[in-house]
Amino acid sequence: EIVLTQSPGTLSLSPGERATLSCRASQSVSSSYLAWYQQAPGQAPRLLIYGASSRATGIPDRFSGSGSGTDFTLTISRLEPEDFAVYYCQQYGSSPLTFGQGTKVEIK
Amino acid sequence: QLQLQESGPGLVKPSETLSLTCTVSGGSISTSNYYWGWIRQPPGKGLEWIGSIHYSGSTYYNPSLKSRVTISVDTSKNQFSLRLSSVTAADTAVYYCARLEGSGWSLDYWGQGTLVTVSS
Repeated sequence: EIVLTQSPGTLSLSPGERATLSCRASQSVSSSYLAWYQQAPGQAPRLLIYGASSRATGIPDRFSGSGSGTDFTLTISRLEPEDFAVYYCQQYGSSPLTFGQGTKVEIK
Repeated sequence: QLQLQESGPGLVKPSETLSLTCTVSGGSISTSNYYWGWIRQPPGKGLEWIGSIHYSGSTYYNPSLKSRVTISVDTSKNQFSLRLSSVTAADTAVYYCARLEGSGWSLDYWGQGTLVTVSS
């Protein structure tokens, strides 16, 4: 099973700042099979990025994904109030499909 | 717009079987490019993939739950279902159904989720 470790656990930032979230895999993951999700309180997760760097439909361009192999990054260029939420990475390079434990982006 | 909606009991007794159904609207479940899956989230915790099914009936399960899980599909009703047997308090969670995009298995549409509590 591929374990995804996200860091930091919590990121305290102000609106307008840049957020950089990390996802490290225990084994190499094909970029095609790495995704990022945003989960606001009380809501279902929402797909942000698939294939490591492709934005899902309707996702603003302030969200970007990068990385390959075992190291992947989600960047939010300028935080908007609605961006304060929990973010998860997910892989299906090998079964089972797994998620990282999440990074909470909170208002400083 | 594709929509998914979970339904089923919100309370299940220990040792019994949890049963949920996901109804898909705004699109057909019988599309070769997609799988359909179940994911759960214990209160205050992260996400766990339970398993996925193709409309043809092909299934994939998380090995950690495989002995207790059955996922099935009813194309005539545009629904797929989850059965989890021998539940304990550790199975208390919000259960989501979702669509898995075929080439990379990202989850591009989600239901709103339903809380299932295991308690006597």
